[in-house]
Amino acid sequence: AAGVIQSPRHLIKEKRETATLKCYPIPRHDTVYWYQQGPGQDPQFLISFYEKMQSDKGSIPDRFSAQQFSDYHSELNMSSLELGDSALYFCASSLSNEQFFGPGTRLTVL
Amino acid sequence: KQEVTQIPAALSVPEGENLVLNCSFTDSAIYNLQWFRQDPGKGLTSLLLIQSSQREQTSGRLNASLDKSSGRSTLYIAASQPGDSATYLCAVWGEMKTSYDKVIFGPGTSLSVIP
Repeated sequence: AAGVIQSPRHLIKEKRETATLKCYPIPRHDTVYWYQQGPGQDPQFLISFYEKMQSDKGSIPDRFSAQQFSDYHSELNMSSLELGDSALYFCASSLSNEQFFGPGTRLTVL
Repeated sequence: KQEVTQIPAALSVPEGENLVLNCSFTDSAIYNLQWFRQDPGKGLTSLLLIQSSQREQTSGRLNASLDKSSGRSTLYIAASQPGDSATYLCAVWGEMKTSYDKVIFGPGTSLSVIP
């Protein structure tokens, strides 16, 4: 069965650089969620999209933005990267109740 | 504001034991509760989803129960195996469910099953 795809799987950036993370939801899933998981922490909700519209916002810094495209894939754009942005970034998709998570993108900011 | 806690934070058991992981939430007005497994450095795997109208769900050796009124859920793992070693997280969805609701995660229980 198709799963949530995230790319890249690993990303290394310097401070103040920008990064773009991509998420391809399970086909026919209409909702995409982004989460950030710092080392040893539980995932924290960042932002979600339903039918290509932003539907909810969590603890997402102003330096981050995201969008969902017509093909339902989503991108998380991160600018002016800081050391504290180093984390595992998960995307999840759902159609009704259950969220299915992608493998995550590990971002390291040097 | 919804807060989710999990007890214990870490658990080590010999292979073959049955065990229970606990999840508590402060606001009983939830729509769903979902249990996940996470291996070190890896993604989250959905184990069981319990909707608010349900009291339990079962999948193989796993059984999850939900008591909304007391704000608790338990994940029961029967006949534990070394391959069960992972971090187990519970997550709750708010009651006013649309597709937009965000999920609040617990801090997880780190399980180690000793061969």
